[in-house]
Amino acid sequence: GIQVEQSPPDLILQEGANSTLRCNFSDSVNNLQWFHQNPWGQLINLFYIPSGTKQNGRLSATTVATERYSLLYISSSQTTDSGVYFCAFSGGSNYKLTFGKGTLLTVNP
Amino acid sequence: EAGVAQSPRYKIIEKRQSVAFWCNPISGHATLYWYQQILGQGPKLLIQFQNNGVVDDSQLPKDRFSAERLKGVDSTLKIQPAKLEDSAVYLCASSWRNTGELFFGEGSRLTVL
Repeated sequence: GIQVEQSPPDLILQEGANSTLRCNFSDSVNNLQWFHQNPWGQLINLFYIPSGTKQNGRLSATTVATERYSLLYISSSQTTDSGVYFCAFSGGSNYKLTFGKGTLLTVNP
Repeated sequence: EAGVAQSPRYKIIEKRQSVAFWCNPISGHATLYWYQQILGQGPKLLIQFQNNGVVDDSQLPKDRFSAERLKGVDSTLKIQPAKLEDSAVYLCASSWRNTGELFFGEGSRLTVL
C-alpha cells in the first residue's frame, strides 16, 4: 500500500537556525502537500508541490518525483514556526491523500 | 474567499450517544473529505466525495459512522452510537478536483466520556 515516511520525527532548534524536513513516498505522485499544524490544531497549507521547487518567504520546498522524496526547508526559524509539519501524498492509481506521521518542530527563543 | 466551515467546534458526549458534524466546503470545490485525527497521529481519511458521490469510504466504520453530501455541496458526518475511541478531531477538507490542493477547516473536536 501507499507509504509516506517523514523524518526526523522530532526536531529542536534555537531561533534563527535553519532546518530540513524530509518526506519519502512509495509511488508515482499525483498530489503532494506540506502542512503546518499549529498548537490550536489548525492545518495550514504550506505548499502544493507534486513536482519542482517553490518558495514562500522563509520556507521553500522541493519534490523530486523520480526519486520519490520531498524536502521542506525552513530558514531563520522563529518560535511561531513551532508545531507539527505533515507531508501528505497520493500516488499511482490511488487518489486518496495519505498523511505521514509528522515532524514535531520546537523552536526555542 | 471564504474557507471551509465546520461546526460545532467542540462537542462532549457520553458513550452510546449520537453526534453530527457539519461541513461547508469552499465554493466550487467538487471534492470533499472527512478526516479523523487522533491525538498524536496524522489525519486518517474516513470518506471522500466527488460531487455527491462517494469515491472512497474504505476506512469508514460503517456500523456506526455515516456521511452524506446532498446536492454536492455541504456534508454531514454522523456517529451513532459513539465509543470512547471515537474521541478525536474530525477535519473536513475540500479541493477543486481529486488531485488538487486540499484546504482544511478548523475541525470539530469530539470528546466521548
